[in-house]
Amino acid sequence: GIQVEQSPPDLILQEGANSTLRCNFSDSVNNLQWFHQNPWGQLINLFYIPSGTKQNGRLSATTVATERYSLLYISSSQTTDSGVYFCAVDSGGSNYKLTFGKGTLLTVNP
Amino acid sequence: NAGVMQNPRHLVRRRGQEARLRCSPMKGHSHVYWYRQLPEEGLKFMVYLQKENIIDESGMPKERFSAEFPKEGPSILRIQQVVRGDSAAYFCASHRGLAGNTIYFGEGSWLTVV
Repeated sequence: GIQVEQSPPDLILQEGANSTLRCNFSDSVNNLQWFHQNPWGQLINLFYIPSGTKQNGRLSATTVATERYSLLYISSSQTTDSGVYFCAVDSGGSNYKLTFGKGTLLTVNP
Repeated sequence: NAGVMQNPRHLVRRRGQEARLRCSPMKGHSHVYWYRQLPEEGLKFMVYLQKENIIDESGMPKERFSAEFPKEGPSILRIQQVVRGDSAAYFCASHRGLAGNTIYFGEGSWLTVV
């Protein structure tokens, strides 16, 4: 099946810093989503981005489908950005089944 | 505009008991998915259902686990004779069923087996 690799596995930032999280995937995809799992365990949709670039406030994402990677940018980080960021892709076909990466654990210190 | 609703949020069961987790998809969504997150791991697909049909159960353990999505009411994930290794967060997700649409996740149900 499709492989999803995220880097870095862990990241520690000071409040106000910027960061880039990367997601590599091993095959073409129809769906790519970024999620934030907060310290309470809730899984929050950030972006649906199988290709192109999107921005939402301090967060933006870019997927280069031909090169099989996606980047999540966090600018001016805040302590509330802490948590695990997951990239998930579908495995093709029509069932929209997502394969998740292992995530990047982000800690933003005040 | 309610999202994907899961209950209970937290469930404690003794070994050997049954656990039932419920999921109501977003309004207008006819596709439901269950995922499991074991401690320190990402989410793993378990099962994909449409109303009254199991479409893909390739991620379901062969024994003790079952899922349904009846014509009326929520989707149910049922775990019989729970063991400690079943302790995990179980997430439900729903999708409208059209290409190019986001899959939305519920807040999860945390099962603890003691």
